Amino acid sequence: NAGVTQTPKFRILKIGQSMTLQCTQDMNHNYMYWYRQDPGMGLKLIYYSVGAGITDKGEVPNGYNVSRSTTEDFPLRLELAAPSQTSVYFCASGAGVEIDYGYTFGSGTRLTVV
Amino acid sequence: GQNIDQPTEMTATEGAIVQINCTYQTSGFNGLFWYQQHAGEAPTFLSYNVLDGLEEKGRFSSFLSRSKGYSYLLLKELQMKDSASYLCAVREFGAGTALIFGKGTTLSVSS
Repeated sequence: NAGVTQTPKFRILKIGQSMTLQCTQDMNHNYMYWYRQDPGMGLKLIYYSVGAGITDKGEVPNGYNVSRSTTEDFPLRLELAAPSQTSVYFCASGAGVEIDYGYTFGSGTRLTVV
Repeated sequence: GQNIDQPTEMTATEGAIVQINCTYQTSGFNGLFWYQQHAGEAPTFLSYNVLDGLEEKGRFSSFLSRSKGYSYLLLKELQMKDSASYLCAVREFGAGTALIFGKGTTLSVSS
């Protein structure tokens, strides 16, 4: 059981480039989330999805886009990379409010924009 | 909006007990979570409280007082491997039940 899989693990982008961070879960969870974590700042919610075809903005959505065409996949798109997007990105999934074990996180993508 | 506060850093020695506090302000409380995060790794789930009181899981316990907007994580019989960041997170109704995280408390355990 793989849980939540994120690719790539590391990436260096030049300013203005674009990329897609991949996230796949095999737990049949409806809820999926993208967070970014900057040093000393905790995790900030970028986007979330409550099911296939449904996405919504979180606290820091500017500069990012998402899609949810299947239950399993929730990719995060950076269109014009900026140095402020240098961060560690975590994808997470959950089964919903009836479950008390929280959410499962992927291993993260460490992105540097230069 | 939400406001979650926890101490930035704490230190303790092996075998000791440490309590990490978390205070929060939220409009639609639907649970409080504690996560452990070792350097360079993903957060891992430790505990969950939705009702007032103490939840115990081995060496780790978590307490919640909803009326005071307060929680703590209690770690007993500290081990070197407990050196990590501890993240307090609140879940609210709505917003896809997303967790809102505090900035985390970095715990250093020394021998």
